Formats: sequence, C-alpha cells, structure tokens
Amino acid sequence: DAKTTQPTSMDCAEGRAANLPCNHSTISGNEYVYWYRQIHSQGPQYIIHGLKNNETNEMASLIITEDRKSSTLILPHATLRDTAVYYCIVRPRYNQGGKLIFGQGTELSVKP
Amino acid sequence: SAVISQKPSRDICQRGTSLTIQCQVDSQVTMMFWYRQQPGQSLTLIATANQGSEATYESGFVIDKFPISRPNLTFSTLTVSNMSPEDSSIYLCSVEKAANEKLFFGSGTQLSVL
Repeated sequence: DAKTTQPTSMDCAEGRAANLPCNHSTISGNEYVYWYRQIHSQGPQYIIHGLKNNETNEMASLIITEDRKSSTLILPHATLRDTAVYYCIVRPRYNQGGKLIFGQGTELSVKP
Repeated sequence: SAVISQKPSRDICQRGTSLTIQCQVDSQVTMMFWYRQQPGQSLTLIATANQGSEATYESGFVIDKFPISRPNLTFSTLTVSNMSPEDSSIYLCSVEKAANEKLFFGSGTQLSVL
C-alpha cells in the first residue's frame, strides 16, 4: 500500500509557484522520498528525490521537514505544460526491496 | 538517462488470447519492473523482473497469468495470458540504472481486450 497522503487536486496560476504537499508520517530512516509526474497518455516522468536534505534541480525543489514526516514539491514558475498528476512516493533503499509503489497522486491544473 | 523502447505501443486483442509486450533498454540496468495502469487509475506494480531468475510478483498477480522473462540486463518481456476485458489497461516497463537512483518509464502499451 502507498505510504503517502496527497490532496486529490490543486490549481495554480500560470507563472506562479506551485507548492504540492505530501504527508508521509510513517516514513522510516531508510526510505527516500520520490516525486514523479504523469502527463496525460504518457509514462511517468521522474522529477526529484531526496533522503533528508532539501534538493533542487532544473525542474523543481524538494523541501523535506526535519522530522521527515512531510515534504513539499515546488515548481517555481508553473507553466501550462506542468498540468499533470504528481505522485509522491516513499521508496526503500535498493537492498531492501527498492520498489516504487504509487498512490493516487495530486492532479495539478495550471491555468492561464 | 535511459531510452526505453516498448512494443507494441497499442493492441486490440480477442478474449482468450495472449499478448507479449517487449521492453528494450539502450544500456544495462540493475532493475526492471512491470506496472499496470487501469483506466482512470494510478499505477500498480505487477512484478520485478529478475535477470536470470523467476520474477518477483506482487500480491494479486501470478506467474501463470503474467509470465515475465528477463534474459539479460537490457531486455524483458511481459505476457498477458488468456486475456479478458478486465485486462484492458496500459502496461508500463520501468528501469533503474543504478541503486537508489531514479526510475525511468517506457511510454506504455495500451491494451484493449474485446
């Protein structure tokens, strides 16, 4: 079963920051937080992942709380092409299974 | 990154027949997974394809229905056997190139069973 809780849907204005929350209160010390998104009719696309430190790449920033029980994905300047379902996933380390189990995700709609 | 070629991209099949889906990666990968996405739903993990040994299936999925092969580090197949309309889904191959890193997904196979 998925170990994360996300809002079902969110709206964001084009050009503004999109902040997508995720609750993972039962996360254990050996589990990573991954974010993926799925644009309609495509395979999921990797966005970012982290263990306990905040991470940033060309797509997004990942903010993980100090107790690791929740995180926020930030798309700094959302565009219409960012409209997708965003999945927050906790994943065990490779040597403990390494499976990626998807929950229901957040459907983000970026509006002009 | 990893370039994943998944074939066929879509198919329409008759009830009772079987379909084999191929997943070819442009480089060696450590792990390969097969997922199913039913209409309007999230992704469900079917199994982990193990190189040179039997696949590891998730609860609710069995080898007789979804036999999987992985003869080397760049290729895997998933067969959907004795299909029924309930098997109509998108089937996706996913790969990981290095431990604890990102997974890449193929574009999926859209299967419709009549």
